[in-house]
Amino acid sequence: ILNVEQSPQSLHVQEGDSTNFTCSFPSSNFYALHWYRWETAKSPEALFVMTLNGDEKKKGRISATLNTKEGYSYLYIKGSQPEDSATYLCVERTGANNLFFGTGTRLTVIP
Amino acid sequence: KAGVTQTPRYLIKTRGQQVTLSCSPISGHRSVSWYQQTPGQGLQFLFEYFSETQRNKGNFPGRFSGRQFSNSRSEMNVSTLELGDSALYLCAGADGGSFADTQYFGPGTRLTVL
Repeated sequence: ILNVEQSPQSLHVQEGDSTNFTCSFPSSNFYALHWYRWETAKSPEALFVMTLNGDEKKKGRISATLNTKEGYSYLYIKGSQPEDSATYLCVERTGANNLFFGTGTRLTVIP
Repeated sequence: KAGVTQTPRYLIKTRGQQVTLSCSPISGHRSVSWYQQTPGQGLQFLFEYFSETQRNKGNFPGRFSGRQFSNSRSEMNVSTLELGDSALYLCAGADGGSFADTQYFGPGTRLTVL
């Protein structure tokens, strides 16, 4: 993998459903992975930063895992609510202090 | 703590002009990064300043420049504006001590070039 890739690009889920999406990144020279939540017309909001292989972070109904050996991170949302509708962006920072952005996963939660 | 502030919030310029945008990070944060968001390109990194020094730079032409002051406030300048420079410009502050620091974003400046 040469770039940070996020999948799916967009998805629609029903309120109450749980969902997850993927961020794949180049695993060489990895330093940190950030997840941001970006609502329309607002600023990106930091959700998690993970640095170690096997890291798991949780914030309310949202959690994330990190696998630096295979170069992926999962973001999970349990019991999706309409207010979870946003674009979820992952960003990799390398040891050389380079930043690689994913294109985001746009989540729409249908009431 | 006050959040990250950016001024102005909206700006309209014409081709060939130059523009200066300002960003003040949260008090105590030493790093400021600038990003450009366009519908076609997504979010792209412009540059990062830490303690008044440019620490990292994205792949943008020399028309884009920045600086940081001793109080951590940062300015971004774009000279000889082009239509393609129309975008949302976001800045983000961080403590800066670690590359893993959480970044706190400002509301952005929406620049329209006519």
